[in-house]
Amino acid sequence: DGGITQSPKYLFRKEGQNVTLSCEQNLNHDAMYWYRQDPGQGLRLIYYSQIVNDFQKGDIAEGYSVSREKKESFPLTVTSAQKNPTAFYLCASTYGRNTEAFFGQGTRLTVV
Amino acid sequence: GIQVEQSPPDLILQEGANSTLRCNFSDSVNNLQWFHQNPWGQLINLFYIPSGTKQNGRLSATTVATERYSLLYISSSQTTDSGVYFCAVGVGGNNRLAFGKGNQVVVIP
Repeated sequence: DGGITQSPKYLFRKEGQNVTLSCEQNLNHDAMYWYRQDPGQGLRLIYYSQIVNDFQKGDIAEGYSVSREKKESFPLTVTSAQKNPTAFYLCASTYGRNTEAFFGQGTRLTVV
Repeated sequence: GIQVEQSPPDLILQEGANSTLRCNFSDSVNNLQWFHQNPWGQLINLFYIPSGTKQNGRLSATTVATERYSLLYISSSQTTDSGVYFCAVGVGGNNRLAFGKGNQVVVIP
């Protein structure tokens, strides 16, 4: 089945640690996105990538990093510089310009 | 950046009732989607509707791009319709989406 797979579903991080969230898609989509959702809020864009080896900051990129070495994969690293990382993280992909976005099932990150 | 406002923020419905959710946006858009977030957090695509009207079963949506709003209609609501409904809009060609804060819908039997 085609789709977007995020792993893990739940992730616990100690303060001061970096963690990496995985996002893989087999839809042959060109563009991929990372969003963050806080309780009772809508989603906010962290980073996005329209082609391999290229990515741009979204609205809340501070404390995060990404890479896009393969078309299928767009991992997100939450660094120790992110002051409030506890949130729900969602990955999305689209085929081209002005097309429908599809989302993965999300990763819930908690700092302990 | 573009502002997206959804109303009402919270809605409680009796099973079988109809409802209308509204999304207002502050600028011209070339992409508009409605999603349903289930209790596990997954976003389910309902409509891709930058303009016009679409229907899918008991749900339908209308976007009037010139007046900068979109409506989502739920007819004969069921308990499985409970959850949060999000409107998201895109400006420019890179499919960056700006989300509203959502409509929390609770359908009671």
